[in-house]
Amino acid sequence: QITLKESGPTWVKPTETLTLTCTVSGFSVNGGGEAVGWFRQPPGKALEWLAVVYWDDDKRYNASLETRLTVATDISKNRVVLTMTDMDPVDTGTYYCGRTAGHVDHWGQGSLVTVSS
Amino acid sequence: QVVLSQSPSASASLGASVKLTCTLTSDHSSNVIAWHQQQPGKGPRFLMTVDNDGSHIRGDGIADRFSGSSSGAERFLTIAGLQSEDEADYYCQTWATGTRVFGGGTKLTVL
Repeated sequence: QITLKESGPTWVKPTETLTLTCTVSGFSVNGGGEAVGWFRQPPGKALEWLAVVYWDDDKRYNASLETRLTVATDISKNRVVLTMTDMDPVDTGTYYCGRTAGHVDHWGQGSLVTVSS
Repeated sequence: QVVLSQSPSASASLGASVKLTCTLTSDHSSNVIAWHQQQPGKGPRFLMTVDNDGSHIRGDGIADRFSGSSSGAERFLTIAGLQSEDEADYYCQTWATGTRVFGGGTKLTVL
């Protein structure tokens, strides 16, 4: 059974760095053909793609956020970590990870992050 | 850059059928897309992929009253025998190497 679970802070202050972890089971993050993506959804708004890391450690980012994002895999713990710098209140929302070699076929439950002073 | 367009809202009666549309930009009209359902207060759930020939592949445990089809740059999600739990936001999604794109979503109301 494939599962993904996000973890991290529920609240960060403006200008701080957000770090979220996606712990996966049922597949290996470095297994051939696999990829894990990060997505977010502001309250009442649509889903937005942030970043994806492939099994071969190729990493791609949403061009509009690329300067603020870093994604990394921890193969020993089978997880993927997203960092987002210089957080702003407009970054408030639910952050999801998902298995996504192309389409997202498994989603995490989501992690609500509020940015406020 | 591919763009996916969806109508913001749709409605249909309990027990009826509804067809939701996702339109690809013309230069990406052959793209495969995925449909995702997001019930109120929950995370997204993958429903199916829909290819440009209209073939579709449902995710695990997705009922066969959910089906997909295609016409040119349009991809459709049809839900038959609407149930109250089908009231949700529906997003289409496509991809290219190194990018993922979502439509703006359609809010489906079951009357």
